[in-house]
Amino acid sequence: AQSVTQLGSHVSVSEGALVLLRCNYSSSVPPYLFWYVQYPNQGLQLLLKYTTGATLVKGINGFEAEFKKSETSFHLTKPSAHMSDAAEYFCAVSDRRSNYQLIWGAGTKLIIKP
Amino acid sequence: DGGITQSPKYLFRKEGQNVTLSCEQNLNHDAMYWYRQDPGQGLRLIYYSQIVNDFQKGDIAEGYSVSREKKESFPLTVTSAQKNPTAFYLCASSIRFGEAFFGQGTRLTVV
Repeated sequence: AQSVTQLGSHVSVSEGALVLLRCNYSSSVPPYLFWYVQYPNQGLQLLLKYTTGATLVKGINGFEAEFKKSETSFHLTKPSAHMSDAAEYFCAVSDRRSNYQLIWGAGTKLIIKP
Repeated sequence: DGGITQSPKYLFRKEGQNVTLSCEQNLNHDAMYWYRQDPGQGLRLIYYSQIVNDFQKGDIAEGYSVSREKKESFPLTVTSAQKNPTAFYLCASSIRFGEAFFGQGTRLTVV
């Protein structure tokens, strides 16, 4: 069965520092991979997605992620953190074996220190 | 503007009551989903529907019911059988390949 592991329920970085949120997945067939962001008391918003093609994917708000098949990873990065990036981030995977149902990671809360 | 509308944003339920959460979408998506979110537990799937007049249980369907009479609408009823309904509920819709679009959520509190 597919699964998604997000390393670290909380990640704290200083404003201006690199943001790295880790996501590893298990899937025996080519996956579609997603990162979503959730601000308090709001719904989830798509940050970026990988379906096919270029493995480095750029999203909104300066975020990007790289699909590494050999490492079964899809880590999310941003070169310089802003206070407005403080939110919860969710990684998700889908593939044809799950009939493209999204399988979710547990989420990582990003804390930005001034 | 296309999107998903959940209402109400806040809902209070007395013990033993059924309450219904509304979810409407105008994105022309076939699939719709209900998730429950508790602090530190991510998203858990309650029910989903891939076509009108058909729906399937998710991981935590007990104490909940849904209907899908129209493509645009997928209401969720939290019944009195749900013993711990206080949570944040999210509705989503999707096209093929899984990309989901979310509503703004309904926060349900038992009083």
